[in-house]
Amino acid sequence: EIVMTQSPATLSVSPGERATLSCRASQSVSSYLAWYQQKPGQAPRLLIYGASTRATGIPARFSGSGSGTEFTLTISSLQSEDFAVYYCQQYNNWPPLTFGGGTKVEIK
Amino acid sequence: QVQLVESGGGLVKPGGSLRLSCAASGFTFSDYYMSWIRQAPGKGLEWVSYISSSGSNKHYADSVKGRITISRDNAKNSLYLQMNSLRAEDTAVYYCARWGATMWAYFEYWGQGTLVTVSS
Repeated sequence: EIVMTQSPATLSVSPGERATLSCRASQSVSSYLAWYQQKPGQAPRLLIYGASTRATGIPARFSGSGSGTEFTLTISSLQSEDFAVYYCQQYNNWPPLTFGGGTKVEIK
Repeated sequence: QVQLVESGGGLVKPGGSLRLSCAASGFTFSDYYMSWIRQAPGKGLEWVSYISSSGSNKHYADSVKGRITISRDNAKNSLYLQMNSLRAEDTAVYYCARWGATMWAYFEYWGQGTLVTVSS
């Protein structure tokens, strides 16, 4: 099973600032990596797939990068609606499909 | 637009059973793999199961293997999760999710979730 590790667990950022979230895989997942955003009381929403392709309707301030075992989600200028929990998920080697533990982006 | 609507959650005693349903609309259901994913209160996401578009291939997380069965009815555009021998640790919001196109195993669309509570 591929273990996904996200860091930091919590990220405190001021509106308008840049946020950088990390996701590490225990073995290579090539570029088969997705990112999701989840707000309280809501279902997760797909942001990025293929490590760097934005899903339909996702603003350009969200960008993904990386391959192999190291990945990054960058939010270039945080808006109020971006404060949420973010999860990465690998889909290179399954089953099982595995998620990271999440990074909570909170208002500084 | 794509819609996934789960139902069937509720309070059940340990050892009991429950059947979750997910009604799909807005896309050709029979073309897509589907999954169930759960989230325990205050915790992260855990993949539970998937089923191929035809229903011929199924896989389960080790944590639920032997106790949970995924199925689908393509004529009814519906996905199901039969849950037996439920334990307290199965308490979670259960989401159904549609995979990406061409069998890519990321979750492009999610339902709103249905809460399963296992407690005496």
